[in-house]
Amino acid sequence: EAGVTQSPTHLIKTRGQQATLRCSPISGHTSVYWYQQALGLGLQFLLWYDEGEERNRGNFPPRFSGRQFPNYSSELNVNALELEDSALYLCASSSIRTGGNTIYFGEGSWLTVV
Amino acid sequence: AQSVTQLGSHVSVSEGALVLLRCNYSSSVPPYLFWYVQYPNQGLQLLLKYTSAATLVKGINGFEAEFKKSETSFHLTKPSAHMRDAAEYFCAVSPRGGGNKLTFGTGTQLKVEL
Repeated sequence: EAGVTQSPTHLIKTRGQQATLRCSPISGHTSVYWYQQALGLGLQFLLWYDEGEERNRGNFPPRFSGRQFPNYSSELNVNALELEDSALYLCASSSIRTGGNTIYFGEGSWLTVV
Repeated sequence: AQSVTQLGSHVSVSEGALVLLRCNYSSSVPPYLFWYVQYPNQGLQLLLKYTSAATLVKGINGFEAEFKKSETSFHLTKPSAHMRDAAEYFCAVSPRGGGNKLTFGTGTQLKVEL
């Protein structure tokens, strides 16, 4: 069974541009989470989507946004990129029906802002 | 709000020695607790989880952790370290019945020396 998949693996953008990161959850999982892992800042919760709805949001500015599609895949959009947005963005998924308290992570997308 | 504290950002052990990585949680009720491992340039892999069954939890790769309510601790141990265990380890907490958002500790980098 495929795990959580993310694309692209690496992305380089210029300050002020927009970045879009994509995530496909484990089959059968309805919840998708996004985390940011920036150097020196640890793992910070960004967003949680379940059944197409935003359920929770971390302490990030509105230029960080996302959505979940009917097939439960998700994308994270970061507008007006700043240098400090450079980080590893991790997507994770879980399922209420199969033990929703366990969250499984993908390999991440590296975003570099220059 | 729930939180976890990982004591020691860097731990160094000799190959074959006991591994002990410390994690203390703060929560008004016993939460769900997790340990994840992150190998260089990879995503997070679930090592083990505590959800309310046995207080001694066995995970993958020979790791185990014991939930101690009286000490609000969930320390990770492995009897004999191997070179392949060198990685960063994260303790995480999520609330019972209140959503699946994980709150992570700051991580402990484990170094295994010959």
